[in-house]
Amino acid sequence: AQSVTQLGSHVSVSEGALVLLRCNYSSSVPPYLFWYVQYPNQGLQLLLKYTTGATLVKGINGFEAEFKKSETSFHLTKPSAHMSDAAEYFCAVSANFGNEKLTFGTGTRLTIIP
Amino acid sequence: EADIYQTPRYLVIGTGKKITLECSQTMGHDKMYWYQQDPGMELHLIHYSYGVNSTEKGDLSSESTVSRIRTEHFPLTLESARPSHTSQYLCASSAGLREQYFGPGTRLTVT
Repeated sequence: AQSVTQLGSHVSVSEGALVLLRCNYSSSVPPYLFWYVQYPNQGLQLLLKYTTGATLVKGINGFEAEFKKSETSFHLTKPSAHMSDAAEYFCAVSANFGNEKLTFGTGTRLTIIP
Repeated sequence: EADIYQTPRYLVIGTGKKITLECSQTMGHDKMYWYQQDPGMELHLIHYSYGVNSTEKGDLSSESTVSRIRTEHFPLTLESARPSHTSQYLCASSAGLREQYFGPGTRLTVT
């Protein structure tokens, strides 16, 4: 079974500052890991994913995440926050075999301070 | 980019009514999913399908039912809506590697 913990349901950063959203996972098998973004009244959009290979993954809109197996973490970062980054962010995990169901974290609401 | 559509986007309906939430995708994806999401909360999988005539219940128990008669279409039905069904319903599809593409969602309010 897999689970995801997102530390901090709300994160506020100033425009231009570093964005760091935390995600820790639990999985009995090697995981696939995802970050999704959700803007108000919209569905989820994939930011980036880790399946195999390089542990530093780059995504859209300047975001990246690093898979750290020893820390069971997959934190999302962006060097410089923009007002348009304000949204809800979800980390998700699935097993790398068998059924392809995703397990989502509870989400982190990112607020950008002008 | 995957195209996945949900209608209606917003629905306000009275208790006891039958409703069908529509979901269609044009990517030819075999796998489709329905999630329920309450405001500010995580997504819970309520139904999924791995192909035509294949449907399974998800991790969260739901009184809704689904059907998959065509690859591109995965409607969700509530026979008798109740206020407890008030939520946002998100449809998704995937072609593999667990990457799911989401529709814009239907926000359902049952009065």
